Amino acid sequence: EDQVTQSPEALRLQEGESSSLNCSYTVSGLRGLFWYRQDPGKGPEFLFTLYSAGEEKEKERLKATLTKKESFLHITAPKPEDSATYLCAVQAGPSGTYKYIFGTGTRLKVLA
Amino acid sequence: GAVVSQHPSRVICKSGTSVKIECRSLDFQATTMFWYRQFPKKSLMLMATSNEGSKATYEQGVEKDKFLINHASLTLSTLTVTSAHPEDSSFYICSARDVRVGEKLFFGSGTQLSVL
Repeated sequence: EDQVTQSPEALRLQEGESSSLNCSYTVSGLRGLFWYRQDPGKGPEFLFTLYSAGEEKEKERLKATLTKKESFLHITAPKPEDSATYLCAVQAGPSGTYKYIFGTGTRLKVLA
Repeated sequence: GAVVSQHPSRVICKSGTSVKIECRSLDFQATTMFWYRQFPKKSLMLMATSNEGSKATYEQGVEKDKFLINHASLTLSTLTVTSAHPEDSSFYICSARDVRVGEKLFFGSGTQLSVL
């Protein structure tokens, strides 16, 4: 069964304290892995897409990496405004299918 | 990036009434839209895939007669919660895929439904 697991469930960091969020997946036929940021009461906001092992993407203080089994979202010197829930999703299955499987998310709180 | 607009953002209704939620792709055509449900501190649960001009595909356990989906045009999909009950209270989010920019999904801002 296709599955996406994120850890930790919640994370509290001091401002400037770098850390990493993990997304582990077991799917057949990975076609893409996505990272989203979600603020309370809002829809998810797209951050990154990764397609193949070894691929890396960066945006400001965030960097996403991908292996054959997991993805990491590295946060360097976070600021309070980085506080949000970070969701990982995978798209799997044969070409022409568009099912996306979401993890349960990591709730990040960055303290000033 | 592509914009998906969802309305209303919040709705409170009495038990037994029906509520319609709209999802529009503002600057692109979306042949496929997705409807999700999210409980507090939980992830997104796919309810159904909405296909323009055809019947929606519902996930296992989602009642078709309870959650009516209509995708009448390339820019609009609607979800109607019929005869709503308190257990239907939840955060509903729509999303759409913009084929011009690959496989990523763009999400609406969500609708918080509270059934009294």
